[in-house]
Amino acid sequence: RKEVEQDPGPFNVPEGATVAFNCTYSNSASQSFFWYRQDCRKEPKLLMSVYSSGNEDGRFTAQLNRASQYISLLIRDSKLSDSATYLCVVKGGSQGNLIFGKGTKLSVKP
Amino acid sequence: DAGVIQSPRHEVTEMGQEVTLRCKPISGHDYLFWYRQTMMRGLELLIYFNNNVPIDDSGMPEDRFSAKMPNASFSTLKIQPSEPRDSAVYFCASRVQGGGTEAFFGQGTRLTVV
Repeated sequence: RKEVEQDPGPFNVPEGATVAFNCTYSNSASQSFFWYRQDCRKEPKLLMSVYSSGNEDGRFTAQLNRASQYISLLIRDSKLSDSATYLCVVKGGSQGNLIFGKGTKLSVKP
Repeated sequence: DAGVIQSPRHEVTEMGQEVTLRCKPISGHDYLFWYRQTMMRGLELLIYFNNNVPIDDSGMPEDRFSAKMPNASFSTLKIQPSEPRDSAVYFCASRVQGGGTEAFFGQGTRLTVV
């Protein structure tokens, strides 16, 4: 089983739609969780951290389910500018390394 | 701060040649990571350093790959000899100590081995 797994997509949605991405991780000792965004031919950048209680940043909501080892990202009212690849990231246990999923590609159409 | 700086941005080399990728992390950051990204495999962690010391190099594909961090402001990733299958985008990232801290990425080096 891969350490971090995501549906690769692509997700093709119209503007204004709500879209949800899921991610599972294998290391139950993982302590920190993030969603990164990567635009085409660019470097990944932090979108938001994921907290145990769930957290929201504008149109974006992240959830963590430790029992199921599952992370989600919900995007409401999709914009054309949300088109990108969304990477699920897990910091392993006591280690300092960050493990990335392969990413889910989102394409928002007019 | 200028962010994480990588050089070169693009590199085209012939099979068998030595390639050296360079990274300058953000000043004050304790961790430095080298990743490789391909369409097939996504972002793979190759090696990471904490306070200039290599912590985990289990992701380095084979002995042809080596990485060094001689000081807090500089790291290199060397491939010798290079092969076409090494063609990828290589990213360097850095972050400060602490569980929930963000990793900042450089713009990457796009390596093509022909």
